[in-house]
Amino acid sequence: EVQLVESGGGLVKPGGSLRLSCAASGFTFSSYSMNWVRQAPGKGLEWVSCISGSSSYIYYADSVKGRFTISRDNAKNSLYLQMNSLRAEDTAMYYCARDRTRAYDAFDIWGQGTVVTVSS
Amino acid sequence: DIQMTQSPSSLSASVGDRVTITCRASQSISNYLNWYQQKPGKAPKLLIYGASSLQSGVPSRFSGSGSGTDFTLTISSLQPEDFATYYCQQSYRTSWTFGQGTRVEIK
Repeated sequence: EVQLVESGGGLVKPGGSLRLSCAASGFTFSSYSMNWVRQAPGKGLEWVSCISGSSSYIYYADSVKGRFTISRDNAKNSLYLQMNSLRAEDTAMYYCARDRTRAYDAFDIWGQGTVVTVSS
Repeated sequence: DIQMTQSPSSLSASVGDRVTITCRASQSISNYLNWYQQKPGKAPKLLIYGASSLQSGVPSRFSGSGSGTDFTLTISSLQPEDFATYYCQQSYRTSWTFGQGTRVEIK
């Protein structure tokens, strides 16, 4: 079964750091670009970052650029998001999502999400 | 960034109704437009990619159309399990951006 499972969320103080992980199974992880997408409580979806299969291409939303770092370990079938200098507005459910990585990019597989709360 | 605007923000409909949701891009995105469905407490689910291609396993009552800046998601006959929030998303240029969502409620 194709599956993504996020972990690493929690409560952190403003200015703190957190590292999210996403474990992939059921597909050839290295063949797919991967993304992080977040959703603040009661709000819509916001794309955060993406990384190509070989880590050659990495992109960030302006709202997290310089604070967040996406990475992957294809040997471990894992995706990561290192979040530094966290702000209250980073509070959200964080989803990892697979890009179908064919003619049209689209997020075809999603994890269940992990909650990040930034509060003093 | 490319801005995506959906309308309406919410709608009430009955089972069996034909429902149409519109998404407009702030610049031409060709047909690089995707639609997602999200139910409360759940992750989003891909319905349509490339503006009109149905994702595997998605019922044929869902369809998408449009190109350039104007796009439409249509549910031909609304079913009880279709009450949810729907999002459009452009994949023409990073950073990918989503519409604000359209909540489909039971009338």
